[in-house]
Amino acid sequence: DIQMTQSPSSLSASVGDRVTITCRASRDISDSLAWYQQRPGKAPTLMCFDASVLGGGVPSRFSGSGSGTHFSLTISSLQPEDFATYFCQQYYNNPPTFGQGTRVEI
Amino acid sequence: EVQLVESGGGLVKPGGSLRLACAASGFTFNEHSMNWIRQAPGKGLEWVSSISSRGNHMYYADSVRGRFTTSRDNAKNILYLQINNLRDDDTALYFCARDPRSSGTAYYFDFWGQGSLVTVSS
Repeated sequence: DIQMTQSPSSLSASVGDRVTITCRASRDISDSLAWYQQRPGKAPTLMCFDASVLGGGVPSRFSGSGSGTHFSLTISSLQPEDFATYFCQQYYNNPPTFGQGTRVEI
Repeated sequence: EVQLVESGGGLVKPGGSLRLACAASGFTFNEHSMNWIRQAPGKGLEWVSSISSRGNHMYYADSVRGRFTTSRDNAKNILYLQINNLRDDDTALYFCARDPRSSGTAYYFDFWGQGSLVTVSS
């Protein structure tokens, strides 16, 4: 199985900060990467797919980048509703696998 | 509006069985592959199973193969997960999730239900 490693595991930031979360795949996954946001007690929501394509309704302050084994999700100006846990997921090979999550805290 | 609503979770003893259901609405159910994904308390996400749009192909994580069975009723727009021989480490919130492609399979997930909690404990 392809292993996905996120960093950091958690971070503290303030409203208005620029935040970047990284995700590394154990082998080349091209651009077959998705990002999800999960607020406490809620289901995950799709933020980005194909590494850089924003999901429907996702604000433009979010952006995804990368290919191969290194990927990132950037929030250009953190808003109160962005405090959540973010997961990356590869879908290049079965089984689809997720990173362990990055918790963005105030 | 796409809606996925899971049901059927509960407290079960080790070795017991349970059937989860996921009622879908707001889209053409029989055009999309569907998935089960679980999240142990305080942990990350683990893909469990997928089923093709017509229900003729099913895939499972190694950790559940032989114990879990995914099926679907396209006439009723319902996805099922039959869980047998439950173990302590099956304790998790079980989400159903839609594959976005209306033909083929993408294996990422554009809509998720709120989850159904399965607790395995004696």
